[in-house]
Amino acid sequence: DGGITQSPKYLFRKEGQNVTLSCEQNLNHDAMYWYRQDPGQGLRLIYYSQIVNDFQKGDIAEGYSVSREKKESFPLTVTSAQKNPTAFYLCASNRDPNNEQFFGPGTRLTVL
Amino acid sequence: AQSVTQLDSHVSVSEGTPVLLRCNYSSSYSPSLFWYVQHPNKGLQLLLKYTSAATLVKGINGFEAEFKKSETSFHLTKPSAHMSDAAEYFCVVRPSPPNDYKLSFGAGTTVTVRA
Repeated sequence: DGGITQSPKYLFRKEGQNVTLSCEQNLNHDAMYWYRQDPGQGLRLIYYSQIVNDFQKGDIAEGYSVSREKKESFPLTVTSAQKNPTAFYLCASNRDPNNEQFFGPGTRLTVL
Repeated sequence: AQSVTQLDSHVSVSEGTPVLLRCNYSSSYSPSLFWYVQHPNKGLQLLLKYTSAATLVKGINGFEAEFKKSETSFHLTKPSAHMSDAAEYFCVVRPSPPNDYKLSFGAGTTVTVRA
């Protein structure tokens, strides 16, 4: 099956810890994205990558970091600098910006 | 700059009755427009998209939307709601000219379906 996988589905973190969320796609898409979703709000873009070894900040990049060493993978690290990290995180990809984005199932991060 | 306004944060309908979800957008260019659906604790699934072809767009699960440039609207409709339609719906704008990677998401409309 082609698609996007995210792991883990649920993640708990203590304050002050960095955590890394996984996103993998086998759709052969060049572009990948990370979004944050909070209750009652639309999705907000954290980072995106147009191609391997390249990525750009989105609207709310502070406290987050990413890497894009492989076409299939775009992990997101939530650092201790992120003041309010509890949220639902969604990864997406598309072949190019002119096409619709496909979304993974999401990771729910809770800071204890 | 572009923005998206979903006019209703919550819509409640009876099973078998029509559903209308309203979306207005602003864009400096001719945009591409999308409707996505999200079930609880799931990712987003594309329902339909408008990309400057026919103004009436048919999507999956019986949904359709009409692009009205004069009203800057892209409302989503379904003639007969089903219990499985209970979910959150997002109107999304991708600006034109193309090659802009950023999308603008509406705040979402939660649909509940009464038996």
